[in-house]
Amino acid sequence: NAGVTQTPKFQVLKTGQSMTLQCAQDMNHNSMYWYRQDPGMGLRLIYYSASEGTTDKGEVPNGYNVSRLNKREFSLRLESAAPSQTSVYFCASSPLGMGTQYFGPGTRLTVL
Amino acid sequence: GQQVMQIPQYQHVQEGEDFTTYCNSSTTLSNIQWYKQRPGGHPVFLIQLVKSGEVKKQKRLTFQFGEAKKNSSLHITATQTTDVGTYFCCILTGGGNKLTFGTGTQLKVEL
Repeated sequence: NAGVTQTPKFQVLKTGQSMTLQCAQDMNHNSMYWYRQDPGMGLRLIYYSASEGTTDKGEVPNGYNVSRLNKREFSLRLESAAPSQTSVYFCASSPLGMGTQYFGPGTRLTVL
Repeated sequence: GQQVMQIPQYQHVQEGEDFTTYCNSSTTLSNIQWYKQRPGGHPVFLIQLVKSGEVKKQKRLTFQFGEAKKNSSLHITATQTTDVGTYFCCILTGGGNKLTFGTGTQLKVEL
């Protein structure tokens, strides 16, 4: 079991460029999440998908879009990157109703 | 929405000393979870507390949920260098589908 995997691990973008962060889980979990973590801060929820076919906004959704491609995969897209989106992005998954979340290793994104 | 505050924000201890971090809410919580994040790593689930006054132990770690379910604590006895990291308390919201993270306590252990 790989658990939760994220690609890429690192990325540098210029302002205005777009990119998609990929996340996949092999634990047959129903729920998946995207968080961002800024230096010295806790994690803030961007979007989540409680189950396949549904997505909902979290605390900081502006500037992002998501796609729940299937039960395994949940992608995060930045359409026009801004320096304020420089952060570490974590994907997580959870069995529906259990609460415990399992995190991927993160993507470290820098927007110049 | 519901929020939780953690204190202290930072703690430096000598190896072998005890450490405690506190998590406080202004509203009654249905549950609380604790996660640990090593430097450069990702959050890892430690435990979930749901009952008033609950106390759970994991080796040198003791977790408590307050009687009023408005606060929680994590106590580490005789810290080791492997305890270094940031400890987050989190609450489940959105019908159990969303985690709201506390501000975290960063622990540094010096030899």
